[in-house]
Amino acid sequence: KNQVEQSPQSLIILEGKNCTLQCNYTVSPFSNLRWYKQDTGRGPVSLTIMTFSENTKSNGRYTATLDADTKQSSLHITASQLSDSASYICVVSAALTSGTYKYIFGTGTRLKVLA
Amino acid sequence: KAGVTQTPRYLIKTRGQQVTLSCSPISGHRSVSWYQQTPGQGLQFLFEYFSETQRNKGNFPGRFSGRQFSNSRSEMNVSTLELGDSALYLCASTPVGGYEQYFGPGTRLTVT
Repeated sequence: KNQVEQSPQSLIILEGKNCTLQCNYTVSPFSNLRWYKQDTGRGPVSLTIMTFSENTKSNGRYTATLDADTKQSSLHITASQLSDSASYICVVSAALTSGTYKYIFGTGTRLKVLA
Repeated sequence: KAGVTQTPRYLIKTRGQQVTLSCSPISGHRSVSWYQQTPGQGLQFLFEYFSETQRNKGNFPGRFSGRQFSNSRSEMNVSTLELGDSALYLCASTPVGGYEQYFGPGTRLTVT
């Protein structure tokens, strides 16, 4: 069964601290993995996207890693800011024989950064 | 380029009514997907349209339907609304040949 699990469910950190969010998946056939940031009441915004051959990808203070062997990904946030308070969603795409994609969403990690 | 737009942004309906939501994709994008997001379930896939044809469908009852027009704009319709249909409805567009999804701001539907 295609599944994406994220941990922790929620996280509270102090401004300026680093944190790491986890994503484990069982999706086949794997096409790519994306991390989204979603502010409350808004649509998700893409942070990074990684294919099978990519191990690390950065976007400013956000760094995503992918281990395709263990089917794990992490999102590391460096020097957190108040504006990082949001939900972070891991999405894994499976390539279908029809040439389209199936998207499997994790339930997200809710991050709160305190001053 | 303008992003994905959704209208209306907020909607309040009564149980039993029906509702139509609209999504305009990024110019040049021909694929539009719809999602329902609730606090307990996260994002759930409703359906995907490409060139006016539905090519993927999630596990939602027949009360949920959609269509896509020749200009790639898409509408989603929910008939006989239930309290459990209260959610944020998101649409996302994808460029031809690509796999990156670009989400709109969503429509917040409240059913009373």
